[in-house]
Amino acid sequence: GENVEQHPSTLSVQEGDSAVIKCTYSDSASNYFPWYKQELGKGPQLIIDIRSNVGEKKDQRIAVTLNKTAKHFSLHITETQPEDSAVYFCGGGGATNKLIFGTGTLLAVQP
Amino acid sequence: EAQVTQNPRYLITVTGKKLTVTCSQNMNHEYMSWYRQDPGLGLRQIYYSMNVEVTDKGDVPEGYKVSRKEKRNFPLILESPSPNQTSLYFCASSHKRSEGYTFGSGTRLTVV
Repeated sequence: GENVEQHPSTLSVQEGDSAVIKCTYSDSASNYFPWYKQELGKGPQLIIDIRSNVGEKKDQRIAVTLNKTAKHFSLHITETQPEDSAVYFCGGGGATNKLIFGTGTLLAVQP
Repeated sequence: EAQVTQNPRYLITVTGKKLTVTCSQNMNHEYMSWYRQDPGLGLRQIYYSMNVEVTDKGDVPEGYKVSRKEKRNFPLILESPSPNQTSLYFCASSHKRSEGYTFGSGTRLTVV
């Protein structure tokens, strides 16, 4: 069945450094790939998404890249700040009514 | 304010006692979904609904029921809860299939 794998499960960076989280998907028909940020005690919030007809998308310090051939996509956060500390989830879907999520990455930004 | 509202936020119950977790959205979204979140397993889809009276199973539907009688509401029903259903549950909605979900704040369920 459809599967989304996410790495790493934990990531610790120094404030100001960049952070990269990677995901791979199994369903080649997937065409929609969102990224969510979940802060402690809250529900996940959409921070950026990309569709299969685009290779890269940026929003200020956040960017997502998609490689359809290799079936992987990545979240890039530049100039990290302590408030970026959270759990990040990638998702894959769009071909069916299901949206499958990765297992999450706990990002810790050390001041 | 556009939002997805879940109730209750916290619930402790005993094995076998039927319960319902309510979910309501005020954005006129067609798609609604229930997920459970467990450590190391991420978010797993339980059920989803494409519109009123149209529902389908996600990846972990066993032990759960849903209904979609109105567009705004999508309750999750546990007819006979068991301890392995202890989890953090999220309701979510979106305007269309290839669009990001708006999530509720979560319901932490403990079954003893």
